[in-house]
Amino acid sequence: DAKTTQPNSMESNEEEPVHLPCNHSTISGTDYIHWYRQLPSQGPEYVIHGLTSNVNNRMASLAIAEDRKSSTLILHRATLRDAAVYYCILRDLNNQAGTALIFGKGTTLSVSS
Amino acid sequence: GAVVSQHPSRVICKSGTSVKIECRSLDFQATTMFWYRQFPKQSLMLMATSNEGSKATYEQGVEKDKFLINHASLTLSTLTVTSAHPEDSSFYICSARGVLGEAFFGQGTRLTVV
Repeated sequence: DAKTTQPNSMESNEEEPVHLPCNHSTISGTDYIHWYRQLPSQGPEYVIHGLTSNVNNRMASLAIAEDRKSSTLILHRATLRDAAVYYCILRDLNNQAGTALIFGKGTTLSVSS
Repeated sequence: GAVVSQHPSRVICKSGTSVKIECRSLDFQATTMFWYRQFPKQSLMLMATSNEGSKATYEQGVEKDKFLINHASLTLSTLTVTSAHPEDSSFYICSARGVLGEAFFGQGTRLTVV
C-alpha cells in the first residue's frame, strides 16, 4: 500500500473545527483513503473513507484534493472526546478483504477546553 | 455497526507463564482476523494474520512458537503468549474485516508480565 505522511501532532480548542491533513503523493487510482482514530487505551475505530469525492458522515467530513495526492479530515466541532491519534491509511480497492491495515504514526490531536 | 470483542481487557501474569487472549466477532463471520501489538507511544504493529481453519501467517520477526494463534471458528481467534517475559508487556489488539472490507477492532488487551 502507498505511503501517507501526517503531522505528528495538532492542537485544537473545544467546539472549533479541526482540519487534519494527510499527504499521499504516490496514491494509485484504485487506492481508497481511510481514516481511523484511536482513543487512549482503546482499539482503533473507523472514521471515514473515500475514493475521489468528498464524503460526509456523522463523525467527520473527508475532503479529497482533485489530484488525490492529499486529503483532509475535518471535525466540524471538536470535543474533548475527539482527543485521539488519527491515522490516514490507503487501501487498494482490489486488496481489501484479506490483508491487514498497516498503521503509520498518525497525528495526535489534543483538544483543550 | 459490527462489533469485535476482545477478552480480557487487562491481564497481569508472572514471567514464564502463558496468557490467552480471545477475539470474537459478535455479529458477523470473520474468516480472517489480525493481531497487532502496540508499545507505549508507538503505532500498531501487525503481528500475524489469523485464518479460520488454517495456520496463521506471521510477520517477519514475530516468533510463531511464542505467539500461538488459533482460529477455530468463524467468530473466534485466540492469541496465546507462551512463556511470557516482561518485554512481552504490551497492548495487544485484534481486528476483523467486515463483508465490505472495512476493519473492526477489539478494545485491546493490556498485558503486564511481572
